[in-house]
Amino acid sequence: GQNIDQPTEMTATEGAIVQINCTYQTSGFNGLFWYQQHAGEAPTFLSYNVLDGLEEKGRFSSFLSRSKGYSYLLLKELQMKDSASYLCAANNDYKLSFGAGTTVTVRA
Amino acid sequence: DTEVTQTPKHLVMGMTNKKSLKCEQHMGHRAMYWYKQKAKKPPELMFVYSYEKLSINESVPSRFSPECPNSSLLNLHLHALQPEDSALYLCASSPLGGEGQPQHFGDGTRLSIL
Repeated sequence: GQNIDQPTEMTATEGAIVQINCTYQTSGFNGLFWYQQHAGEAPTFLSYNVLDGLEEKGRFSSFLSRSKGYSYLLLKELQMKDSASYLCAANNDYKLSFGAGTTVTVRA
Repeated sequence: DTEVTQTPKHLVMGMTNKKSLKCEQHMGHRAMYWYKQKAKKPPELMFVYSYEKLSINESVPSRFSPECPNSSLLNLHLHALQPEDSALYLCASSPLGGEGQPQHFGDGTRLSIL
């Protein structure tokens, strides 16, 4: 089975940094994706990790530890437009199993 | 705008109606997916097509019938749906082969069953 956990909500101030943690237990694992989803819109791809370590893409970074079944998404220099749901998804042979999503609210 | 196009954007239908959702991509992706998403919940996988053949059916009720006429199109035929089937239906596509190939999602069809 698949078990993917992430916090339900986080709030941060514009310009700050927020770290969204994700822990997973899956029967197979090919890597971990992070998606952003604004209300009423499609999920959009943010990052992918298959090996342990940090992947940096501009203001967004993602980290993976396969031995610990743990990942995080780091959002730096928060902007109001970053208010959205962030979905952690474990990949197993083209099947994505999503966490429930973390709603991030950015305050001015 | 996304590169995966879904139509219609909204659909209201009765429980006895038959309708179809359509999805199109021209990125050359050979894997296509249907997901169902309820409010404030993550997407749930329904079907996966690879090379136009159904490879995964996540125990979806037969009132949902997928079809992949060619490598660019994916349909979801609906018949005798229930009110609990009201949800956002998302189509996605990805390349096949290799790791780290993200799925690209369409904007979805918001379905309401009366």
